[in-house]
Amino acid sequence: DQQVKQNSPSLSVQEGRISILNCDYTNSMFDYFLWYKKYPAEGPTFLISISSIKDKNEDGRFTVFLNKSAKHLSLHIVPSQPGDSAVYFCAATYTDKLIFGTGTRLQVFP
Amino acid sequence: GAVVSQHPSRVICKSGTSVKIECRSLDFQATTMFWYRQFPKQSLMLMATSNEGSKATYEQGVEKDKFLINHASLTLSTLTVTSAHPEDSSFYICSASYSYNEKLFFGSGTQLSVL
Repeated sequence: DQQVKQNSPSLSVQEGRISILNCDYTNSMFDYFLWYKKYPAEGPTFLISISSIKDKNEDGRFTVFLNKSAKHLSLHIVPSQPGDSAVYFCAATYTDKLIFGTGTRLQVFP
Repeated sequence: GAVVSQHPSRVICKSGTSVKIECRSLDFQATTMFWYRQFPKQSLMLMATSNEGSKATYEQGVEKDKFLINHASLTLSTLTVTSAHPEDSSFYICSASYSYNEKLFFGSGTQLSVL
């Protein structure tokens, strides 16, 4: 049972536009959510996180939105840059477990 | 989709003992495996990158003599926590990829508790 789902395996966006990556979860016990970015042949690196008591967290070009009633999480990147091209993983945690989605490959083209 | 199996899912051990965690790619050959450590509500910390047939590359601040990594085959990597202490208690997770540009597949993680 996939508790954290990223239903879009890939996304292509033009440079300067907004990239929106989505993530759905099923477990209402999750209380903290994270986004990771992964370049080829590297491990994922932490990008941004949000606590379940908030509905928005912003850090520069990156904003994460949380809709608890819909059990939906999204990452907005604006403006998108070619260097943002990578695979993005969302993850959710409660107690001591960290569960990842399967990732979405973002390609930002000029 | 590709499956990565991590075992055990939970281990409790006494201080001073060694613990081995296995990470297996079940339906693909993983040229690269990554080991991470995560503390509650903190971001995942990459510990080391393991390439089949060669020595692991450790991140800065990770003691390679304490966290022994072996990637002896294309489907198995192991992490051994030697002489574990309570401060080593954490959630350890592995991930694997099978080519340079492919997505990463994660194991289910191991919760280590050192008493």
